[in-house]
Amino acid sequence: EAQVTQNPRYLITVTGKKLTVTCSQNMNHEYMSWYRQDPGLGLRQIYYSMNVEVTDKGDVPEGYKVSRKEKRNFPLILESPSPNQTSLYFCASSLGGVTNEKLFFGSGTQLSVL
Amino acid sequence: AQKVTQAQTEISVVEKEDVTLDCVYETRDTTYYLFWYKQPPSGELVFLIRRNSFDEQNEISGRYSWNFQKSTSSFNFTITASQVVDSAVYFCALSAESSGDKLTFGTGTRLAVRP
Repeated sequence: EAQVTQNPRYLITVTGKKLTVTCSQNMNHEYMSWYRQDPGLGLRQIYYSMNVEVTDKGDVPEGYKVSRKEKRNFPLILESPSPNQTSLYFCASSLGGVTNEKLFFGSGTQLSVL
Repeated sequence: AQKVTQAQTEISVVEKEDVTLDCVYETRDTTYYLFWYKQPPSGELVFLIRRNSFDEQNEISGRYSWNFQKSTSSFNFTITASQVVDSAVYFCALSAESSGDKLTFGTGTRLAVRP
């Protein structure tokens, strides 16, 4: 089944403790992206990647890192999480970029930073 | 810079009513793409439609229709004869050519359809 898989689904952590949210897609998609969803703010793009070893900042990249060492994986790294990073996170992928294709989204990761 | 405004935060209708969700966008590009996504209570995000700036034809898909008007920078979404299963948060999104593959979402409109 074609899908975008995020893990974990729920995560509670403490300020400053490094964490990684994994994202994997099995559709051989070139484009992958991370969004955060906050009440009243909609979805905001954190980082995106058009190909292996190619990443670009979205609208809210501060406090986040990403890497794209393999086509299928696009982990989101919070080196020193803070409470303002408490949010619902979505990973998404598409075949050839966001303008030409629809995005396939993962199920989301609810992160709470205490 | 690109921006999407969904001024309606929440809408509540009774089943079988028609409802229109508004989307106003801003971009200086002449080439851009507009999208609508649906987020039902289960939380996943589902693609509904993609439209490029050169195609102003309105689109109908079953009970759903979209009205794209460049003159008013709007891409409104209408649900005809709404059903309870239409209850969801709906997001409009924009990607302008000069922004690369950056996708900007609006803040969403929560639609509640009451039986």
